[in-house]
Amino acid sequence: AQKITQTQPGMFVQEKEAVTLDCTYDTSDPSYGLFWYKQPSSGEMIFLIYQGSYDQQNATEGRYSLNFQKARKSANLVISASQLGDSAMYFCAMREGGGFKTIFGAGTRLFVKA
Amino acid sequence: DTAVSQTPKYLVTQMGNDKSIKCEQNLGHDTMYWYKQDSKKFLKIMFSYNNKELIINETVPNRFSPKSPDKAHLNLHINSLELGDSAVYFCASSQGLSSMNTEAFFGQGTRLTVV
Repeated sequence: AQKITQTQPGMFVQEKEAVTLDCTYDTSDPSYGLFWYKQPSSGEMIFLIYQGSYDQQNATEGRYSLNFQKARKSANLVISASQLGDSAMYFCAMREGGGFKTIFGAGTRLFVKA
Repeated sequence: DTAVSQTPKYLVTQMGNDKSIKCEQNLGHDTMYWYKQDSKKFLKIMFSYNNKELIINETVPNRFSPKSPDKAHLNLHINSLELGDSAVYFCASSQGLSSMNTEAFFGQGTRLTVV
């Protein structure tokens, strides 16, 4: 069965510094997709970045990059040059190939300090 | 022009009542979902529909009944509301069968409070 684990309930980072949010996953399906979402205090879910299980290179989207280590089953999100507006909940998620559901980790609350 | 819209945004009701949440997506997606986010922010999938057909029911109580009149709409009806049903309910959609590389788009959420 698929599973997503985020072990950091809360993280602090200084403005303009980089931060890594951890995510590990478990699946027996060789085809899967990994996603990161941001949920600010206003409540909406914002898609940030995607990594496919067969992708050779780590995904990047602006200040977001995904450190994908397939053998370790980890998909950590790296946010470079943190901004105050990055303060939010961050969710790692996974969908197996052929599956109709995306499952989410418990989330990490990120606090960016000025 | 909202991609996934759900109404109402807030819903306060008494125990025992029946209520509905509506969801519509204009993205042309085939698959729609309902998620429940509890007070600890944990997101759990409830239902998944593909082209109006129920694909996944994650052992949700029978008091919850989704209905998909067409593939752009997925409504959620809840009977005999209980205090434990208080949560934020998110509707979402994604493209296509087995499209694992497409993200799910979420509605803004409905905060349900049962008193």
